[in-house]
Amino acid sequence: DTEVTQTPKHLVMGMTNKKSLKCEQHMGHRAMYWYKQKAKKPPELMFVYSYEKLSINESVPSRFSPECPNSSLLNLHLHALQPEDSALYLCASSGRVRGVGETQYFGPGTRLLVL
Amino acid sequence: AQRVTQPEKLLSVFKGAPVELKCNYSYSGSPELFWYVQYSRQRLQLLLRHISRESIKGFTADLNKGETSFHLKKPFAQEEDSAMYYCALGNAGNMLTFGGGTRLMVKP
Repeated sequence: DTEVTQTPKHLVMGMTNKKSLKCEQHMGHRAMYWYKQKAKKPPELMFVYSYEKLSINESVPSRFSPECPNSSLLNLHLHALQPEDSALYLCASSGRVRGVGETQYFGPGTRLLVL
Repeated sequence: AQRVTQPEKLLSVFKGAPVELKCNYSYSGSPELFWYVQYSRQRLQLLLRHISRESIKGFTADLNKGETSFHLKKPFAQEEDSAMYYCALGNAGNMLTFGGGTRLMVKP
């Protein structure tokens, strides 16, 4: 399996809801990432997990809570979001290929709409 | 601080014309540079990485450390090349910094 998968594809939630985004990879990668992408903008890094431990949090508001249950799974728990949080949320994983270096591979994303 | 600049938001060419998407970077360390492509309604895909010096779908990119550039080139554009292209810079901590992106439109 050489893909990063994400569920759900689309999500609509109210500002008082609690929901979770899920990401899975079976490439044996030890680093996983969450990005936020607004329309016509590049992805912006939110969190980095390395060997199942949170290594980077790019000053993301606490209403976003990441979780890495094991080396293949990455979750993003959402609570009390704002309409401006509506975006495409991308998951990525990376591994080091001999002679080539570290490369990130992206999932298809979850398109989130906060009402 | 690391930064990636793609000066053109939109590049429009006719089918069969040469294409060059510009990318400039600033980074104090040894850069790892990538081109990612995002076709309409599809995931962000790796197109090229400088370290492997490969050609994918007819595209090539050469790292020029003197000019701090990593421009993406293709001699003859095809309609199916129409997409959003992002240049990205990776650092030692595996963090990617993306440029603002260039939308390539190839007209028939």
